[in-house]
Amino acid sequence: QVQLQESGPGLVKASETLSLTCTVSGGSISNYYWSWIRQPPGKGLEWIGYIYYTGSTNYNPSLKSRVTISIDTSKHQFSLKLSSVTAADTAVYYCARSFDWLSAACYMDVWGTGTTVTVSS
Amino acid sequence: DIVMTQSPDSLAVSLGERATINCKSSQSVLHSSHSKNYLGWYQQKPGQPPKLLIYWASTRKSGVPDRFSGSGSETDFTLTISSLQAEDVAIYYCQQYYTTPWTFGQGTKVEIK
Repeated sequence: QVQLQESGPGLVKASETLSLTCTVSGGSISNYYWSWIRQPPGKGLEWIGYIYYTGSTNYNPSLKSRVTISIDTSKHQFSLKLSSVTAADTAVYYCARSFDWLSAACYMDVWGTGTTVTVSS
Repeated sequence: DIVMTQSPDSLAVSLGERATINCKSSQSVLHSSHSKNYLGWYQQKPGQPPKLLIYWASTRKSGVPDRFSGSGSETDFTLTISSLQAEDVAIYYCQQYYTTPWTFGQGTKVEIK
């Protein structure tokens, strides 16, 4: 049974770069899309972007200028970098898996437990 | 961006009664070439990640109790809990994956009356 686990610093200083990694265990990283989603305290869900196992990416335009998602299939990991963070980037960050349906990503069927990132001034 | 709007924002239902949550998208999420609605429903309990309940608008994920059902097409969708159980207390989100950026509804909080 596939499991996802986020890891990375829980505290990031304003203007610096947030870096998180999601480790995939119990299943293949190939032939899937891998997403990052975030949830500010007490608020709803925001999709950040996804990466296909081949390395192709798709980002939310609202964050595109600051986001980089990469993948290392040999390590069964994919990563998120968000630059120039502010207090508005404080959130729980989740990673999730999506099926490849007719060469497009679809619903997110497996989620990590989430990691809380606080941006400090 | 496709805007997803859920109603109500919250509802309180007696145990064993029906709970109905609506989700409206600002444009159709029906992919006409293969007749699938690119709409999912998620359940989030406090301190937990979202959990997929329904995909393609009406397909229940394996292991999800059959009291959960999804319906609707194009721009109007419904999640129904036929007989509310205590463990169903949660926030429910709809999400479109028809086009990026993927977007979620604001969430509907379900409580016990």
